[in-house]
Amino acid sequence: GDSVTQMEGPVTLSEEAFLTINCTYTATGYPSLFWYVQYPGEGLQLLLKATKADDKGSNKGFEATYRKETTSFHLEKGSVQVSDSAVYFCALTNRGSTLGRLYFGRGTQLTVWP
Amino acid sequence: DGGITQSPKYLFRKEGQNVTLSCEQNLNHDAMYWYRQDPGQGLRLIYYSQIVNDFQKGDIAEGYSVSREKKESFPLTVTSAQKNPTAFYLCASSPQGLAAETQYFGPGTRLLVL
Repeated sequence: GDSVTQMEGPVTLSEEAFLTINCTYTATGYPSLFWYVQYPGEGLQLLLKATKADDKGSNKGFEATYRKETTSFHLEKGSVQVSDSAVYFCALTNRGSTLGRLYFGRGTQLTVWP
Repeated sequence: DGGITQSPKYLFRKEGQNVTLSCEQNLNHDAMYWYRQDPGQGLRLIYYSQIVNDFQKGDIAEGYSVSREKKESFPLTVTSAQKNPTAFYLCASSPQGLAAETQYFGPGTRLLVL
């Protein structure tokens, strides 16, 4: 079935460091891929998405490229800030399904120190 | 101001008690979802509804019930049959069609057992 695997955390970085959070997926058909972010005590917010192979999603300095050949959607940011501290979830939805449901990874906790 | 509201923010349940979590959206979305979030486990789908008066079980529906009498409302009842209800509960909604790929989340309700 459809599933997402993302790197386990926690990830701890100093401000202005480079960030990579790995995400790989398993899916039939043509999935769309997402990164959601959850700040402490809050719900999830969509960070970025990509709907087809080689698409790059970007938002707030974060980027991720849909790589069909490696079934990956790694999240990157060139220079993290303290305000980026949050839990990041990789997710997919499969357009072959009529349900529109999301499949989530387990989440990666990011802490950025000043 | 469009969005999803969940109440209460914190909820306490006694042994053998049923409790109901509220979820309301004014985004005019057709589909609504309930997820359960436990530390280190990502989000798991409890129930979802694509239209009014219709809903389906997700991956962990046992011990939960829902109703969808109005488009904007999708309450979740945690019954006494749910033996381990302590978790963070998130409600989400999405429009239909291609835009259904993006889900919008509420701020969550944290349920604690006394």
